[in-house]
Amino acid sequence: GQSLEQPSEVTAVEGAIVQINCTYQTSGFYGLSWYQQHDGGAPTFLSYNALDGLEETGRFSSFLSRSDSYGYLLLQELQMKDSASYFCAAFLGAGSYQLTFGKGTKLSVIP
Amino acid sequence: ETGVTQSPTHLIKTRGQQVTLRCSSQSGHNTVSWYQQALGQGPQFIFQYYREEENGRGNFPPRFSGLQFPNYSSELNVNALELDDSALYLCASSLGGTGNTGELFFGEGSRLTVL
Repeated sequence: GQSLEQPSEVTAVEGAIVQINCTYQTSGFYGLSWYQQHDGGAPTFLSYNALDGLEETGRFSSFLSRSDSYGYLLLQELQMKDSASYFCAAFLGAGSYQLTFGKGTKLSVIP
Repeated sequence: ETGVTQSPTHLIKTRGQQVTLRCSSQSGHNTVSWYQQALGQGPQFIFQYYREEENGRGNFPPRFSGLQFPNYSSELNVNALELDDSALYLCASSLGGTGNTGELFFGEGSRLTVL
């Protein structure tokens, strides 16, 4: 089957750096996306890795290692508004928009 | 704001009833997919439509069905509702074909409660 594992909860201090890890076990893996979802809101796209290495988008970076079936999302200079759930999601094939999501990591940013 | 709109935002049904949820995709997007998100869980893929044809389906029974219209808007229909169908139903649009950037544009969802 398809599965993505990520920690259920993380707490970090405002201004700090936090890393959310994701390990995956899927067939037909094509790339790894990250989404943010505030309570009651829509998932919003943060980052995508199709190739190994680091992708940087402002305060957010994402990393992928295909050989280790592992990725992470790095959030820098944490702000209170970053408190949300973060999901890693695997694309299973080129041209397909079927995403398999992890269960999500609830990030709490404290003063 | 992603430009993806869903209706209704909330609804309550009883077991055995049928429900239709609607989605207008972002302008120019020809691919729509539907996801079910139970409380505290990640979204689960239901199916995907590309140019009015279903071209991918997740592990959901046939009582979950859908349509995509020529303007690329879409409907999700669920028959014979069960208590476990209570969830947030998310619609996501994207531009199909090559050049997958890994980005889906999600609507705010329709929250269905089955009593």
